[in-house]
Amino acid sequence: QSVLTQPPSVSAAPGQKVTISCSGSSSDIGNYYVSWYQQFPGTAPKLLIYLTNKRPSGIPDRFSASKSGTSATLDITGLQTGDEADYYCGTWDSSLSVQVFGGGTKLTVL
Amino acid sequence: QVQLQQSGPGLVKPSQTLSLTCAISGDSVSSNTAAWSWIRQSPSRGLEWLGRTYYRSKWFNDYAVSLRSRVTINQDTSKNQFSLHLNSVTPEDTAVYYCARDPPWALGSFDIWGQGTTVTVSS
Repeated sequence: QSVLTQPPSVSAAPGQKVTISCSGSSSDIGNYYVSWYQQFPGTAPKLLIYLTNKRPSGIPDRFSASKSGTSATLDITGLQTGDEADYYCGTWDSSLSVQVFGGGTKLTVL
Repeated sequence: QVQLQQSGPGLVKPSQTLSLTCAISGDSVSSNTAAWSWIRQSPSRGLEWLGRTYYRSKWFNDYAVSLRSRVTINQDTSKNQFSLHLNSVTPEDTAVYYCARDPPWALGSFDIWGQGTTVTVSS
């Protein structure tokens, strides 16, 4: 069972917006930066968001993220079929002294 | 650009030691600002961080508490690579294993990943 809680799946139509949530606690999200990753089947995760809301070079601004208290969210606007993937949040957990991840959310673009 | 190339066996027998190596190009394992981690992924456990090694005037290693008694990460500066050693493996250690870089500009994030190695623990 993952330390961070994500919905197992979300779906939306092309062109629409979807929000993926990531819930944690004061020992992780509440006090540390959050990262988000995109993973396609059979490939390694790809960094989408770092330092809670920063995008690496090459990541389109359709992807944005924020944090409030012990929860974080990833927003994807202008959905494309190519966005269908699994999305994971991650952060540091000071009570366990480990990097922790959410269980992942499967995005379906209908 | 920075690349990580993993190598190691895909099949390990129960009770033996799983050993994987991650060769770095475009950066240095001795970097004073980056860290180098091992992460595994399985359907039952999801993404699980195993530990990291990094150099800050001397070498440091951090390990996941749940695996601390079985895991070792070391480095070979002459080959610019780092390795994972997980002993006394069981079928529960079956997973895809990744090496990854934690860069200085993205603290707590992993921006470069190896290609992944599927490791099966079975006799």
